[in-house]
Amino acid sequence: NAGVTQTPKFRVLKTGQSMTLLCAQDMNHEYMYWYRQDPGMGLRLIHYSVGEGTTAKGEVPDGYNVSRLKKQNFLLGLESAAPSQTSVYFCASSRTRSTGELFFGEGSRLTVL
Amino acid sequence: GEDVEQSLFLSVREGDSSVINCTYTDSSSTYLYWYKQEPGAGLQLLTYIFSNMDMKQDQRLTVLLNKKDKHLSLRIADTQTGDSAIYFCAESNNNNDMRFGAGTRLTVKP
Repeated sequence: NAGVTQTPKFRVLKTGQSMTLLCAQDMNHEYMYWYRQDPGMGLRLIHYSVGEGTTAKGEVPDGYNVSRLKKQNFLLGLESAAPSQTSVYFCASSRTRSTGELFFGEGSRLTVL
Repeated sequence: GEDVEQSLFLSVREGDSSVINCTYTDSSSTYLYWYKQEPGAGLQLLTYIFSNMDMKQDQRLTVLLNKKDKHLSLRIADTQTGDSAIYFCAESNNNNDMRFGAGTRLTVKP
């Protein structure tokens, strides 16, 4: 009963490097989300997807790209990492958007030096 | 833009009640939520309340909503050390936008 799985869990990058975070869910959810969590701030939505092949911008999309080629996977890419992108990234999925029970992964801690 | 605010820290003694407060600004909120985050883990939904309700009780948890003042609270009765975690308030509206507070770190002392 995996739920939402994120890989990798930890990563250290140098400024300018690129990387991809992978999120996989096994609950057949239509909706998937990427959030970032920073100290003293609420979770902020980066990008989300309302179904396979769709993506949309959230509150803080700049510097990130996403893809949802398969329903169960949602990828978050950083093309040229910056220190401001040091954060903990959470993927989540949900069956619907309106009643809002989100299922979260365990988080991926990214440090950009 | 719309905002959700909560105090960052709360410390209680084991066996006492904990009350975590949250305020929000969105007048069109439809659902309000409490999520719990344990160390090294993702957030898990604890409970939620529809905006036309005043109160919801679930075992040791009581949620109170004052819609006029846009104030939400979570009361945990007989707080245990296992309740130590970060508690996030969140709200969603008719546009399906969901906003989270910064989280309240609850520390339970034996």
